[in-house]
Formats: sequence, C-alpha cells, structure tokens
Amino acid sequence: DQQVKQNSPSLSVQEGRISILNCDYTNSMFDYFLWYKKYPAEGPTFLISISSIKDKNEDGRFTVFLNKSAKHLSLHIVPSQPGDSAVYFCAASRNQGGKLIFGQGTELSVKP
Amino acid sequence: NAGVTQTPKFQVLKTGQSMTLQCAQDMNHEYMSWYRQDPGMGLRLIHYSVGAGITDQGEVPNGYNVSRSTTEDFPLRLLSAAPSQTSVYFCASRTVSHGGYTFGSGTRLTVV
Repeated sequence: DQQVKQNSPSLSVQEGRISILNCDYTNSMFDYFLWYKKYPAEGPTFLISISSIKDKNEDGRFTVFLNKSAKHLSLHIVPSQPGDSAVYFCAASRNQGGKLIFGQGTELSVKP
Repeated sequence: NAGVTQTPKFQVLKTGQSMTLQCAQDMNHEYMSWYRQDPGMGLRLIHYSVGAGITDQGEVPNGYNVSRSTTEDFPLRLLSAAPSQTSVYFCASRTVSHGGYTFGSGTRLTVV
C-alpha cells in the first residue's frame, strides 16, 4: 500500500514559468513533510520541509503548501530554471521520526 | 566532513551470494536509514535505526539484515542475493532535531 503518492511521473515547464509538483498521502498520522531533489547518479538532497501545524513554507524560489483535509501537498518553483531539471520526491513521517516514507518521484524538465 | 559515505559504488553478485553494503557518517547523526530505488517505485525504506543498538523494519525488509553497533556505521547485509535485489541502494542519516536526511551517493547493485 503506497502511503505517499506522486501521480505525475513527469512534468515539462518553460524556463521562467511556475512548476507545480503534487503529492498525496493516505496516512493521517503523518505530520511532517519534505521535498527532495535528485540528479542522476547522485543521492537525493533535501529541499524544503513543512510541519502539519503550518499550511505554507517558503524558501527562496521554493514554496511548499499543505492541505491537511485533502491530504495533499504541493511544491511550487517560481521562476523555474533549467538547473531545476531533476527528479523531485516528496516524503512524510510521524513526529519527525526515523521512518521517512517517499513517493515515486516526478521528473521535472525545465526547457530554455 | 565527508558526510555519508557508501561503499562500494558498484557491485555485481551472483544469485545466492552474500555481501555487505557499507555506510558510515561522520556527523554524529542519531538516525540512519537504508533505501532502495527502483524505476517507477521511488525510494523504498528497507531498514532504519534511531540510535546505536536500535533498528527497525521499513517497507521492504525481506532479504536484508542490519545492525547498528556504533553511531557512525550502519551496514546492510544481503544474506542470499536474488535478481529482485538488483537496485540502487542509498544510505541516509539525520539528526533528531532536523527532519531532512543527508544521503550518500548510492551503491548500484546487480544480481545475475
């Protein structure tokens, strides 16, 4: 049973426009959510996180939105840059515990 | 700081062979985890540990053993390799106070 789902395997966006990556979760006990970015042949790198007590968190061009009632989070990248082209994973945990569950990933392509 | 170091980077095993994937971190992180990445499946948690002497199963633990005798090291053992264990394996660590795991660069394992 996939507890964290990213239903879009890929997304293509023009440089300078907004990229919106989506993630759904089924476990209502999750209270901490993260986004990771991964380039080929490298390990994932932490991008941004959000606690369930918030509905929005910003860090530069990256904003994560959390809708607890819909069990949905999204990552907005504005403006998108070609260097943002990578696979993006969302992840979730309970009580910021050691058990972090990932989604399947969405491959973002930002075209010049 | 080396971060999270995984060895080897590449390995080919024959079905039935055993081996240990090594993982070491020099950041004094309490939490450590092992993930495998397969196409279309994202990152799946194999085993994790919240401190020396404490380990627990993740989503896909079968066929793998772990132990955590020190804070720094978290080896992953394949007892009898199977072709289904062909994958890229990532080790990660984090401190209790921050939810973002730091990942190693991965081990690409092929079982023939």
